[in-house]
Amino acid sequence: RKEVEQDPGPFNVPEGATVAFNCTYSNSASQSFFWYRQDCRKEPKLLMSVYSSGNEDGRFTAQLNRASQYISLLIRDSKLSDSATYLCVGPGGGADGLTFGKGTHLIIQP
Amino acid sequence: DVKVTQSSRYLVKRTGEKVFLECVQDMDHENMFWYRQDPGLGLRLIYFSYDVKMKEKGDIPEGYSVSREKKERFSLILESASTNQTSMYLCASSWTPGQGPGYEQYFGPGTRLTVT
Repeated sequence: RKEVEQDPGPFNVPEGATVAFNCTYSNSASQSFFWYRQDCRKEPKLLMSVYSSGNEDGRFTAQLNRASQYISLLIRDSKLSDSATYLCVGPGGGADGLTFGKGTHLIIQP
Repeated sequence: DVKVTQSSRYLVKRTGEKVFLECVQDMDHENMFWYRQDPGLGLRLIYFSYDVKMKEKGDIPEGYSVSREKKERFSLILESASTNQTSMYLCASSWTPGQGPGYEQYFGPGTRLTVT
């Protein structure tokens, strides 16, 4: 089983809708999880960290479910500008104990 | 704000050439990384450095080497470029746990390398 897995999508969502996607991980020892956003032909940029208690930043909410070993990202009132690829980062065999998922492609449609 | 810069945004090289990609970070980060990113394959770690002159192989080190002579600078070297090394190359840096507030990675803008 891969260390961090995401549904690649694409998720096609109408503007204004709420969208959620998950990322599963196989190594239960980690304390650090993150969500990154990557626009086409640009570098990944940190969107938010994921804490045990959850984390909310405006329209974005990140949650950690340790029992089921997944993290989630919820986007409310989606905007056209939210169209991007969302990468999760979780525990794995990466050099610093972290590994990136391959990303979920989100398309917000007008 | 953390700033990670890469020497070139676009680069075109010929097969067999030696290629140098440079990365500089200005946040005194201990860790620096080189990744390549290809459609459908995600980010793949090439090499990692956790201190000056220290390096570790990532998942796909074959055909690459690295150099870290100064803390802020991490270079990726393609000894003899081949067409299958055409890709987007991304450099990143991060704190070591305990050194800073967190250890999320910060990325440079990337170098799109084409080998012909």
